[in-house]
Order: sequence, then C-alpha cells, then structure tokens
Amino acid sequence: NAGVTQTPKFRILKIGQSMTLQCAQDMNHNYMYWYRQDPGMGLKLIYYSVGAGITDKGEVPNGYNVSRSTTEYFPLRLELAAPSQTSVYFCASSYAGTSDTGELFFGEGSRLTVL
Amino acid sequence: KNEVEQSPQNLTAQEGEFITINCSYSVGISALHWLQQHPGGGIVSLFMLSSGKKKHGRLIATINIQEKHSSLHITASHPRDSAVYICAVIIQGAQKLVFGQGTRLTINP
Repeated sequence: NAGVTQTPKFRILKIGQSMTLQCAQDMNHNYMYWYRQDPGMGLKLIYYSVGAGITDKGEVPNGYNVSRSTTEYFPLRLELAAPSQTSVYFCASSYAGTSDTGELFFGEGSRLTVL
Repeated sequence: KNEVEQSPQNLTAQEGEFITINCSYSVGISALHWLQQHPGGGIVSLFMLSSGKKKHGRLIATINIQEKHSSLHITASHPRDSAVYICAVIIQGAQKLVFGQGTRLTINP
C-alpha cells in the first residue's frame, strides 16, 4: 500500500491564482481530512469527509472547496489564493473515526506559498 | 481557551531521561490520538486510545476519561525521539479531530 499520497509537495502561487491539492489513499478508508499547519501552530481542520459524496466544513473552510466523488480521492481546491493561505497542508485518512481501528494516516504534506 | 491543551510546550532533556508529556481536554471525547511530527514535517500516528493504557516499545500512553487527561511517556529517551508530539481528540458525536498545539521535545546526547 502506498498509504496517503499528496501532490504537489511544494508550490508557489501568485495572489489570485487557483490550484488543487491532490490527495489519494489506497487503504479503502472512509474518513478523509484536510488540515493546515501554520508555523508554530497546531493543525486546523479545513474540511473532512466521512465517505464518498459526503463532505463537511471544519474550523477554517473559507477560501477552500473539496469534493469526494470516490473513496480514494479527496482533492482540496484553493480559489483566489491569498497570502493568508501560505501554510503546510496535510491530508489524512482513517478507516473509522471512533473505533479502535481508527488509526490516522497522514500524507507527507504540501508546502504552499502565496506571494 | 483551546479545547485541547498540552504541557509543556517545549521540553529539553538528556538522553536516558524519562519523559512525560501531558494533554488535557475540556470536551467529551470518544477517543484520543498521540501523533509524532519529525523535523522533516511528516506526521506519524503513535497511539489511539479511548481508555486505559497502551504500550509500544519505549512509548506508553495513558488516558483518564473522568479527569479528561492523557499522558505520553517515553522511557530511556534517545536523541532520535526529538520531535513534536501532538495530542488530538475525537469529539463525542462528531467525526473530526481537535488538535493540541504540540510539545516540542529535544533530547540531547
């Protein structure tokens, strides 16, 4: 298994540009999450999904959109990039949210800079 | 006030010392995760627990649901244990995690 795969690892955007961060997992996990981590801060939840076709907002959803058309993929779209979106983005997945099998698996992170 | 608080924020110790990192939370939870983030940025899950105690190698995690508190212990610490340790809780009835701010651990040889 490849686990959770995120692309790209690094990206520099100009203000106002748009882009999509890709996330894929091959573990047949129901739950997928997108987090951002700002320097010296804890991870903040942007969006999450409990299964294909179901998504919900987290703590900091403004400026982002997601879709979950299949179990495997959970892309994060940034529309009209702003400097405040400069951060490291992590995608994560788990089989179940609350059971003992709900171990979290993280992607390697995507470092995004908006200039 | 954050729903999840970790202490200490920074911890420096000598190789071989016994390490304790604490996590307190103010909401009802269904489970708690301990995660490790290495300087390169990757995040690895160490434990998920909803009661009692779990042990893996030199790492031990405990949780007291009544007191809303969890601890992560490292025995015989080693410089390779240097990382940020993150506590995250699954809020009861919600399928999402709330994270502590992390504890930066540095083990000197």
